[in-house]
Amino acid sequence: EVQLVESGGGLVQPGGSLRLSCGASGFTFANFAMSWVRQAPGKGLEWVSTISGNGARTHYADSVKGRFTISRDNSNNTMYLHTTSLRAEDTAIYSCAKTTGNAYGYWYFDLWGRGTLVTVSS
Amino acid sequence: EIVMTQSPATLSVSPGERVTLSCRTSQTISSNLAWYQQKPGQAPRLLIYGVSTRATGIPASFSGSGSGTQFTLTISSLQSEDFAIYYCQQYNNWPYTFGQGTKLEIK
Repeated sequence: EVQLVESGGGLVQPGGSLRLSCGASGFTFANFAMSWVRQAPGKGLEWVSTISGNGARTHYADSVKGRFTISRDNSNNTMYLHTTSLRAEDTAIYSCAKTTGNAYGYWYFDLWGRGTLVTVSS
Repeated sequence: EIVMTQSPATLSVSPGERVTLSCRTSQTISSNLAWYQQKPGQAPRLLIYGVSTRATGIPASFSGSGSGTQFTLTISSLQSEDFAIYYCQQYNNWPYTFGQGTKLEIK
């Protein structure tokens, strides 16, 4: 079964850090870009970051650039999001998404996990 | 950043009706537009990519169209399981951006 499962969320104080993980199964992980998308409580979807299949290319939303780092371990079919300097406005469900598209880098999200909740509060 | 504007924000419809959801982009995006469906407590599901290509397993009752800066998602005959929030997303330019969503409610 093709599946994505996130973990690592929790309650963290402003300025703190968390490492989120996304475990993948059912497809050849290294062949696909992967992304993080978040959703604040009661709000819409916000793209956070994308990493290419081999990890060589990364992209970040301006709202997290310099604070979040995306990475992947293709040998363990796992993607990560290392979050630092967390702010209240980073509170959201963070979902990972299998990212596909064409060779020119136009990618969309064809499989999503259910997400892990990050709450930033003192 | 490309701004995505969806309308209406909420649509109250009856099962069996045909509905059209709109998505406008602040710049042209070629055909790099996708639609997603999200039900409460569930992960989003890809419906349409490339403006009009249905994702695997998506019924033919869902169709996408449009060009330039105006795009639509049409559901030809609403089923009970179609009541959800629908998001459009452009993947032509970084940062990728989503519309704010259209919520389909049962009338």
